[in-house]
Amino acid sequence: AQSVTQPDIHITVSEGASLELRCNYSYGATPYLFWYVQSPGQGLQLLLKYFSGDTLVQGIKGFEAEFKRSQSSFNLRKPSVHWSDAAEYFCAVGAQAYNNDMRFGAGTRLTVKP
Amino acid sequence: NAGVTQTPKFQVLKTGQSMTLQCAQDMNHNSMYWYRQDPGMGLRLIYYSASEGTTDKGEVPNGYNVSRLNKREFSLRLESAAPSQTSVYFCASSEDWAAYNEQFFGPGTRLTVL
Repeated sequence: AQSVTQPDIHITVSEGASLELRCNYSYGATPYLFWYVQSPGQGLQLLLKYFSGDTLVQGIKGFEAEFKRSQSSFNLRKPSVHWSDAAEYFCAVGAQAYNNDMRFGAGTRLTVKP
Repeated sequence: NAGVTQTPKFQVLKTGQSMTLQCAQDMNHNSMYWYRQDPGMGLRLIYYSASEGTTDKGEVPNGYNVSRLNKREFSLRLESAAPSQTSVYFCASSEDWAAYNEQFFGPGTRLTVL
């Protein structure tokens, strides 16, 4: 069965430090990959998405993610974290072969220390 | 453009009571979704409407019903609320029913069932 795993429930980084959030998926078909961000009390907003082509994709707010097919991973990165990046981050995976079903990971909560 | 709006923002129910969560989108999207968000479990799909006039079950449909009232509106009904339905509910919409489409989310409804 298809699944999405975000191994880190909670990450704390200092402002200005680099960030990497992990996402692994298990899908039998070619997936479409997304990262969403949820600020406190808000709905989810799309950061970036990958469908095909260049495996390094750029998103909003200075985020990027790299698709590694051999590792079934789609990790999110940012070179220098800002206090406003504190939020919860969700990886999501969809596949047409599975009735366009989109599955979300459990989320990673990011805390930014001053 | 308001995007996706949801009412109410907060609700407290007693076990056995019923209520309807309302959702509307002004982006002329064909597809709409209802998710629930529980700690450590990410978002799980309750029901979706791929297009006006159709609805289908998602991953966790038990205890819920939906109505696609028109292209803009998609409501979620709890006929007899249970404490296990305490959750945050999100409505979302997308251009159409395809795994590569970004979903746009409302701000959520926080529901507590006592």
